[in-house]
Amino acid sequence: NAGVTQTPKFRILKIGQSMTLQCAQDMNHNYMYWYRQDPGMGLKLIYYSVGAGITDKGEVPNGYNVSRSTTEDFPLRLELAAPSQTSVYFCASSPQEGSVNTEAFFGQGTRLTVV
Amino acid sequence: AQSVTQLGSHVSVSEGALVLLRCNYSSSVPPYLFWYVQYPNQGLQLLLKYTTGATLVKGINGFEAEFKKSETSFHLTKPSAHMSDAAEYFCAVSAPQGGSEKLVFGKGTKLTVNP
Repeated sequence: NAGVTQTPKFRILKIGQSMTLQCAQDMNHNYMYWYRQDPGMGLKLIYYSVGAGITDKGEVPNGYNVSRSTTEDFPLRLELAAPSQTSVYFCASSPQEGSVNTEAFFGQGTRLTVV
Repeated sequence: AQSVTQLGSHVSVSEGALVLLRCNYSSSVPPYLFWYVQYPNQGLQLLLKYTTGATLVKGINGFEAEFKKSETSFHLTKPSAHMSDAAEYFCAVSAPQGGSEKLVFGKGTKLTVNP
């Protein structure tokens, strides 16, 4: 019962470095999401995917990129890390019931600090 | 576009007291509504959801919520708070949007339970 697995759990980056946050799910869900969580701000959608090969921007996509080559994996790429990207990142997946998202399953998060 | 407003970023109750966390939504189409709970340093997990049918929904850990269309509300309640209920709670809404579906979250309400 792995569910949604995120790696790494913690990371410190220097300004200008790049990295990839990994996300994998074993529930055969079509939908996958990346959110960032900042204190008092709730969750903001960065990118999402409705299936392999299909991705779209969310509310705060600048400075990030994603790909979805398989149903299982949805990595998030940070290019040229900036202090404003210090946050906790959550990956989630959901099944599709009809045309509406019915529930999202979340990973444990990646706490990223950019210094 | 749908949106969610959670009234009160912090709520404090005594152990054994009623818990009431407020959520109002905006959606141009019939929404699906969710409450998630986040314990410290963990991901979000689903407490309960409303999709269709009965407007009073029961979730895990004794929580329930009532969908009131006329008030565009989906408040979360629990008759008697336990210390273990201390966490952050997020209300979320989902509705068809341009052929793809995204969960939109409120900013969260941190619940403190005092002994």
